[in-house]
Amino acid sequence: AQSVTQLDSQVPVFEEAPVELRCNYSSSVSVYLFWYVQYPNQGLQLLLKYLSGSTLVKGINGFEAEFNKSQTSFHLRKPSVHISDTAEYFCAVQALTGGGNKLTFGTGTQLKVEL
Amino acid sequence: NAGVMQNPRHLVRRRGQEARLRCSPMKGHSHVYWYRQLPEEGLKFMVYLQKENIIDESGMPKERFSAEFPKEGPSILRIQQVVRGDSAAYFCASSSGTSGGSRDTQYFGPGTRLTVL
Repeated sequence: AQSVTQLDSQVPVFEEAPVELRCNYSSSVSVYLFWYVQYPNQGLQLLLKYLSGSTLVKGINGFEAEFNKSQTSFHLRKPSVHISDTAEYFCAVQALTGGGNKLTFGTGTQLKVEL
Repeated sequence: NAGVMQNPRHLVRRRGQEARLRCSPMKGHSHVYWYRQLPEEGLKFMVYLQKENIIDESGMPKERFSAEFPKEGPSILRIQQVVRGDSAAYFCASSSGTSGGSRDTQYFGPGTRLTVL
């Protein structure tokens, strides 16, 4: 079984400041890793994913994430945030073997960008 | 728009009624997943279907909930005799199933927000 921990339920940040949203996971098998963003009253949009290869993954809207296998982390970063980045961000994992195709999500981090 | 479509977007039911949620996958996608998002929580997997087959229903409540994905038409998530605890956002996702039949990216619909009075 897999589990995902997003320790920060809310992260306030000023516009143009950098931000890091933390994600740690637990799994007995190798996993793929994902970050999704959810704007108010909308569905989830894929930001980026790590399947294999380079541990630094670049996604849409200037976001990037780094896979750290030894620390079982996949933290999301952006060097300079914009008001429009205000949203809920979900980290998710998917087992490579077994467990079906299901995604296991964290509880989400609300990013609030202020002027 | 070739994205995942869900309807209705909002659904209000009284306790004891039935709720039917529909999901049309992206064009070319044959795999459908249903997730539930309770207030202040992340998404929880419910069921994974391919055309006419339930592949994984490990996240489905044992009673009152059922899902289907017929050969023709959308996938349906059906909740019988709804209770207040069923109030949540229900999201559908689809994938192409072309990555060796598994582990391909899931694309989400806008969700159906169910309110049980």
